[in-house]
Amino acid sequence: SQQGEEDPQALSIQEGENATMNCSYKTSINNLQWYRQNSGRGLVHLILIRSNEREKHSGRLRVTLDTSKKSSSLLITASRAADTASYFCATVLLSGNTPLVFGKGTRLSVIA
Amino acid sequence: KAGVTQTPRYLIKTRGQQVTLSCSPISGHRSVSWYQQTPGQGLQFLFEYFSETQRNKGNFPGRFSGRQFSNSRSEMNVSTLELGDSALYLCASSPPDPNTGELFFGEGSRLTVL
Repeated sequence: SQQGEEDPQALSIQEGENATMNCSYKTSINNLQWYRQNSGRGLVHLILIRSNEREKHSGRLRVTLDTSKKSSSLLITASRAADTASYFCATVLLSGNTPLVFGKGTRLSVIA
Repeated sequence: KAGVTQTPRYLIKTRGQQVTLSCSPISGHRSVSWYQQTPGQGLQFLFEYFSETQRNKGNFPGRFSGRQFSNSRSEMNVSTLELGDSALYLCASSPPDPNTGELFFGEGSRLTVL
């Protein structure tokens, strides 16, 4: 089963609104990363947050991590039509040299 | 710096055939990972190579294999293709610093099996 599960599966908002996506995971992690994928293209790394961090910012992106609840959220502020994409969380497990495990993603549609 | 390059971008095969996909990582990156992406299963890890050695392997049948060359370029092969192998195959490389864990993805090879 997937280590990370994003919620919601799909989200539709108006341009200028904020978009919030959540990710839950099951086992202890070293870090958690968020990626974006435009339709049918490769994934692009957005931001990485380590297990000892609680919040991180990058431009219009804000990521939080709650290790006690095993959850993370990605907030995109003042969304633009160009933000339309699928967003995935991925975890690096604490157990050692393991590959990045991805969730199934949230499909974000930003309507102009 | 050139990104991760995957070839071919699109290909169509028939059941029973075999296919080889190629991936050239970013210069200086020695780790290459492969993922299969389908609408139903999402992104599933296939394998990871580092310095020509398979370091991790996902839960795929033996029909899926890979290798890495001394210049870090990697290939994956799928033999005896099945309809369910239709997917976007993504290759990713990672920089030498193991603390980041960040992956740099190519645009993928979209395989259609008829």
